[in-house]
Amino acid sequence: GNSVTQMEGPVTLSEEAFLTINCTYTATGYPSLFWYVQYPGEGLQLLLKATKADDKGSNKGFEATYRKETTSFHLEKGSVQVSDSAVYFCALRGGSNYKLTFGKGTLLTVNP
Amino acid sequence: GAVVSQHPSWVICKSGTSVKIECRSLDFQATTMFWYRQFPKQSLMLMATSNEGSKATYEQGVEKDKFLINHASLTLSTLTVTSAHPEDSSFYICSAREWTGPGAKNIQYFGAGTRLSVL
Repeated sequence: GNSVTQMEGPVTLSEEAFLTINCTYTATGYPSLFWYVQYPGEGLQLLLKATKADDKGSNKGFEATYRKETTSFHLEKGSVQVSDSAVYFCALRGGSNYKLTFGKGTLLTVNP
Repeated sequence: GAVVSQHPSWVICKSGTSVKIECRSLDFQATTMFWYRQFPKQSLMLMATSNEGSKATYEQGVEKDKFLINHASLTLSTLTVTSAHPEDSSFYICSAREWTGPGAKNIQYFGAGTRLSVL
């Protein structure tokens, strides 16, 4: 079956530091890949997505590239802000299956 | 963007009682809603998928008589945990998929979740 493994947290960074949250997946076929973010007290929000190999998703300074050869979709941001503090979830949706499979989530805390 | 409202955000109940959680799409019509369960430091696990006006489809291992799902309208789905026990204590999250017509983008929006504590 499909599965997503993401870097365990928590991750604590200083403002303006570089962020990487690793995500690898196992799936049959050609899944779509997603990063969701959950700010305190709010629902999950789609941060970015990529639907085919070598696609790069980007939003709010975050980027992730769909790497089929390494089955990875690592999340990166060059300079984090305090407002980026949240839980980040990597997810996939495989083929025609509309169901999302999530990683365990990574708590990011950015200190001023 | 689209908003999904989930209520209550936190509920404490006694063992043996039933608890209802509501999930509403506030500014769009959701033909499909999803219910997830999340244990501490674990992934969101899909419990069931419900389509408006039809019976929910439960994932393997989820007791349909324990977790009753109703999706009576395009903007409301409810999850009722019947005869709750301490092992049902968890974080429950709903999600609604927006219908935008043929060739829909299949976008899912999530509620903020409900923390259930059964004493």
